[in-house]
Amino acid sequence: EAGVTQFPSHSVIEKGQTVTLRCDPISGHDNLYWYRRVMGKEIKFLLHFVKESKQDESGMPNNRFLAERTGGTYSTLKVQPAELEDSGVYFCASSQDLQPDYGYTFGSGTRLTVV
Amino acid sequence: AQRVTQPEKLLSVFKGAPVELKCNYSYSGSPELFWYVQYSRQRLQLLLRHISRESIKGFTADLNKGETSFHLKKPFAQEEDSAMYYCALRAHSGAGSYQLTFGKGTKLSVIP
Repeated sequence: EAGVTQFPSHSVIEKGQTVTLRCDPISGHDNLYWYRRVMGKEIKFLLHFVKESKQDESGMPNNRFLAERTGGTYSTLKVQPAELEDSGVYFCASSQDLQPDYGYTFGSGTRLTVV
Repeated sequence: AQRVTQPEKLLSVFKGAPVELKCNYSYSGSPELFWYVQYSRQRLQLLLRHISRESIKGFTADLNKGETSFHLKKPFAQEEDSAMYYCALRAHSGAGSYQLTFGKGTKLSVIP
């Protein structure tokens, strides 16, 4: 089966611009997660979708971040306007179960650089 | 709130030497712990989980609730073990969701 796919793999944008990251989960996985690692910090949870609904968005840093999952398939994460501190690697993960024994399947990540 | 601590940012060992990557956690509930690994230019992948008590690629990890630790061990390091290792704790978020809390990671470098 295809894995979790993220686009783009890298993005360099100027402060104040808008960027949209995309994640295609494994087909049939209802649960989709966004995580990010900013420089020197831990990988941190952003939010969790169950199908098209936001189950938990407690990790979203502020209202410049908007995540959607229309139709319960792929998800997008938009940052508008981007700030320097948004630079980091954004990971997407998916799972079929809410609490899978096998953990989660992660994508390769999108490296975002805001200059 | 839960926390995962990996005290070593970088660990260098010689091939064939034993490896121990340290992980300590703080969590008020019953912990569910994982080790994830990220090889160069590859995605983050699950290495092992405490509940299964399995050995993957020669690595083992035992949950010690008294010391709140989940150290990763391997008796004889191989060059292909060089990678970034993350300890993670899965906990219920209170919003009907489970979140992973990661440590900062330890970069393991195995010297030939």
